[in-house]
Amino acid sequence: GQQLNQSPQSMFIQEGEDVSMNCTSSSIFNTWLWYKQDPGEGPVLLIALYKAGELTSNGRLTAQFGITRKDSFLNISASIPSDVGIYFCAGREFYGGSQGNLIFGKGTKLSVKP
Amino acid sequence: ETGVTQTPRHLVMGMTNKKSLKCEQHLGHNAMYWYKQSAKKPLELMFVYNFKEQTENNSVPSRFSPECPNSSHLFLHLHTLQPEDSALYLCASSQASSGGDNEQFFGPGTRLTVL
Repeated sequence: GQQLNQSPQSMFIQEGEDVSMNCTSSSIFNTWLWYKQDPGEGPVLLIALYKAGELTSNGRLTAQFGITRKDSFLNISASIPSDVGIYFCAGREFYGGSQGNLIFGKGTKLSVKP
Repeated sequence: ETGVTQTPRHLVMGMTNKKSLKCEQHLGHNAMYWYKQSAKKPLELMFVYNFKEQTENNSVPSRFSPECPNSSHLFLHLHTLQPEDSALYLCASSQASSGGDNEQFFGPGTRLTVL
């Protein structure tokens, strides 16, 4: 079935640095979602994107829906220790009038050194 | 707090046991989902319920049996599981419409260990 390619798999960064991660698909999506999961918890929705080219911010987080509709990226500016966790992208294909199920990437594990 | 609760948070069971996982959503949504999360693998969709009707069963073994008595509650009944079924089981809910559903909100998960 359809899979999302999320990269990088993991990142070790210094506190204060900016972070960038992305997801690509082989087919066109009409929805991109970004989630963060803390250890022992479920994923929490960070940003939802519904239009190609859409750029949306949530505090220090910014995500964009790629123009080709096959990719999305998430940026975190000025990282802080509580940004640690696993970030997942999720997307949904559009099948001519109906929507497919949500498909998830494998996640990007972020570690922040104080 | 996402408005989706799951119990128990942790469960250890033997292969011959029968247990149930419970999910409750307080968001007024009409669709609920069960996902399995294993290490280093993407979230795997197991079951989908829209308006209490099961609309998706992604080739899940019959030892997993879902139940959705109403739009706020979802159960996953477990019977004669295998050690490879050990994982984090996540429940999610969303508001589905004729155009499809949008954001899914997740519960904290049940960490299941099968001995």
